[in-house]
Amino acid sequence: EPEVTQTPSHQVTQMGQEVILRCVPISNHLYFYWYRQILGQKVEFLVSFYNNEISEKSEIFDDQFSVERPDGSNFTLKIRSTKLEDSAMYFCASRASEGQPQHFGDGTRLSIL
Amino acid sequence: EDQVTQSPEALRLQEGESSSLNCSYTVSGLRGLFWYRQDPGKGPEFLFTLYSAGEEKEKERLKATLTKKESFLHITAPKPEDSATYLCAVQASRNQFYFGTGTSLTVIP
Repeated sequence: EPEVTQTPSHQVTQMGQEVILRCVPISNHLYFYWYRQILGQKVEFLVSFYNNEISEKSEIFDDQFSVERPDGSNFTLKIRSTKLEDSAMYFCASRASEGQPQHFGDGTRLSIL
Repeated sequence: EDQVTQSPEALRLQEGESSSLNCSYTVSGLRGLFWYRQDPGKGPEFLFTLYSAGEEKEKERLKATLTKKESFLHITAPKPEDSATYLCAVQASRNQFYFGTGTSLTVIP
């Protein structure tokens, strides 16, 4: 069964550094998402991406964040200048079309030191 | 403000002891309600989608139902392998999804 894959599984970065989290969505999917989950808290929506542009974004997704689909298979989340509070699990998800469920990757654990 | 609330936060059941998990929501223009299972260190795994009040979906020991204000995930005769966190998410009228905090289910043999 096709799945969403995320790399790396764990990223450790110094505060203030840029980090790029990578995702390969399921190949025929059209909608792409990033979420974060701070330890012990709920899964929080960050951004949705459709037709090569941001569809929706939450208040969390400020100017420090950006997303890109640089080619036909990858979907990336960049955090420009990381803060301690960016430490969390980041999940990528994709779905085929409207009305279809999202499928999630197993996440990247981001630790900011 | 769009909100999703799940209860209880944690639930311990004996193997075979049936129970229900609740997801209450207030969203403008519900487009779908989704149930996921999340195991430790993993991403959410899709279980069900419900679109309209009165709809029901079943899969093995799980059954999800939907009303205009809440959804229930019924677990019949659970087994230890059903132990996980169960997440509820709603899609509002925009392409945005809101998750509840989840119910952590432990099934004791």
